[in-house]
Amino acid sequence: DTAVSQTPKYLVTQMGNDKSIKCEQNLGHDTMYWYKQDSKKFLKIMFSYNNKELIINETVPNRFSPKSPDKAHLNLHINSLELGDSAVYFCASSQDQTWGYFGPGTRLTVT
Amino acid sequence: GQNIDQPTEMTATEGAIVQINCTYQTSGFNGLFWYQQHAGEAPTFLSYNVLDGLEEKGRFSSFLSRSKGYSYLLLKELQMKDSASYLCAGLNQAGTALIFGKGTTLSVSS
Repeated sequence: DTAVSQTPKYLVTQMGNDKSIKCEQNLGHDTMYWYKQDSKKFLKIMFSYNNKELIINETVPNRFSPKSPDKAHLNLHINSLELGDSAVYFCASSQDQTWGYFGPGTRLTVT
Repeated sequence: GQNIDQPTEMTATEGAIVQINCTYQTSGFNGLFWYQQHAGEAPTFLSYNVLDGLEEKGRFSSFLSRSKGYSYLLLKELQMKDSASYLCAGLNQAGTALIFGKGTTLSVSS
């Protein structure tokens, strides 16, 4: 069974569009995350979220918003897409000191 | 704050030993992690150090010195499949997220 899954794997869209990326984890973890990996392979935290608290990296534009319908899901909504949003987006989860579970990534290309 | 530095690239040959260093500056350090990432894939967990010393796991070992703000990942008996990016990451002050360095791309040649 896949621990952390994301859909879609690839997403190609035009500037100005609104899109969503879905993430699900079946590990029973309390905390989920979104990371962005740019073309230079630098992995940056965007959000961490559990059922109590959303922590936003202040450098993330407010066009990005996480939405969690339940503990096992954390979706990423992006409004008014820009060229600079092109990157690979990774979802991840953790529980207490258990780290290391990343989804397979979503490669977003904005044209 | 938390600044994590590691070399950008390293090269080595099959069967050799390579050490990838990582230095960090943190006020509220909660643990140091190493991840491996092959091209086009997700990062996968390799090791976690919270106390000083060496943690050995098969061909891979990780070392931490908290007083020096220093860690290294040691890879022994290198294989071609070890060609990948190796990411050093620290747990932030609040313990709510991993903060990654920019990664070291290791190329193993025959």
